[in-house]
Amino acid sequence: DIQMTQSPSTLSASVGDRVTITCRASQSISSWLAWYQQKPGKAPKLLIYKASSLESGVPSRFSGSGSGTEFTLTISSLQPDDFATYYCQQYDRYSTFGGGTKVEIK
Amino acid sequence: EVQLLESGGGLVQPGGSLRLSCAASGFTFISYAMSWVRQAPGKGPEWVSAISGSGGSTYYADSVKGRFTIARDNSENTLSLQLNSLRAEDTAVYYCAKDLNGGNPKGPFDYWGQGTLVTVSS
Repeated sequence: DIQMTQSPSTLSASVGDRVTITCRASQSISSWLAWYQQKPGKAPKLLIYKASSLESGVPSRFSGSGSGTEFTLTISSLQPDDFATYYCQQYDRYSTFGGGTKVEIK
Repeated sequence: EVQLLESGGGLVQPGGSLRLSCAASGFTFISYAMSWVRQAPGKGPEWVSAISGSGGSTYYADSVKGRFTIARDNSENTLSLQLNSLRAEDTAVYYCAKDLNGGNPKGPFDYWGQGTLVTVSS
């Protein structure tokens, strides 16, 4: 099974900050990597797919990069609506999600 | 507008069974693979099972293989998950999710339902 490891698990930041979340795969997954945002009591929302493609309707302050085993999600200027938990997902072989990164208000 | 509406969750004893359903609308159902993803309280999502658009191919996580069965009815635009031999560790919110890319289960999920809670407890 492919394991996905996210870091950090919690991140404290302020509105306007640049935020970077890292996701590492236990083996190469090419660019088959997605990022989701989840708020309490809601389903995850797709932000990024194929490592760097922005899903329709998602603000351009979100961006993704990486390939192989190391990937990053960047929020260029954190907005109040962005405080949430973020998950990466590999879909190279079946599907595995990372453990999540909670972005909190500093 | 794409809508996915799950039903069928509830409280069940260990060893029991449950059948979850997902009613889909707003897209050409047969053209897209569908999955079930679960999320235990306070944990990250866990992919459970997927089915191709035609229904001819099914896939399962090792944790549920042999106990859960995924199926779809393309004439009724519904997805189902039969849960047998349930264990406490199966307790979670179960979501149905639509594949972004098409009929083969190879892609992220662009639409999710609101989820249905399954609680396995005596």
